[in-house]
Amino acid sequence: DAGITQSPRHKVTETGTPVTLRCHQTENHRYMYWYRQDPGHGLRLIHYSYGVKDTDKGEVSDGYSVSRSKTEDFLLTLESATSSQTSVYFCAISGRDSYNEQFFGPGTRLTVL
Amino acid sequence: QKEVEQDPGPLSVPEGAIVSLNCTYSNSAFQYFMWYRQYSRKGPELLMYTYSSGNKEDGRFTAQVDKSSKYISLFIRDSQPSDSATYLCAFFKAGTASKLTFGTGTRLQVTL
Repeated sequence: DAGITQSPRHKVTETGTPVTLRCHQTENHRYMYWYRQDPGHGLRLIHYSYGVKDTDKGEVSDGYSVSRSKTEDFLLTLESATSSQTSVYFCAISGRDSYNEQFFGPGTRLTVL
Repeated sequence: QKEVEQDPGPLSVPEGAIVSLNCTYSNSAFQYFMWYRQYSRKGPELLMYTYSSGNKEDGRFTAQVDKSSKYISLFIRDSQPSDSATYLCAFFKAGTASKLTFGTGTRLQVTL
């Protein structure tokens, strides 16, 4: 298994509170991604990073911010959580520029009440 | 029109059956075609990838790409209960910071 961990694995929070999810890799891969997965929508890209301090928006970035201060860590922050952000969040990593096999973490199940 | 269309299922088949999973896409710039498998409450894992039209075989799995019709398929022979999972098609094109475009996934259940 690729060395990817996500923390926390489960979280329940209240509307309006800030939440930070962490993705940690031990593979020294260049690219890191945050997805959310919802029924009927599949995997949707939130933000991605192509190097330390280099990040960009995905297709569903509103309400989310990211930071990458080290190669191994990619943080996803919900500044003020809303019920629509209840989802399963996956981190992925990739070291390739070609066909891009992405390795996924185990996921974080987030519930916003 | 969505870039990728995938029937969500669920698809239920008996053990030993041949399974056909399909995706259509609209973006002719896609260069690599992938299938990911996702077990319940787990992250997706790459099952197969290909970059040309035609078939690619790996054990009981065959990936088929028809670029002229913008259609890809995954065939599973002699399906097993352990194949029960959600299968996601994924597509890659150059110049997109290595981003992938995923289908919504088809849930497969193989019954004894």
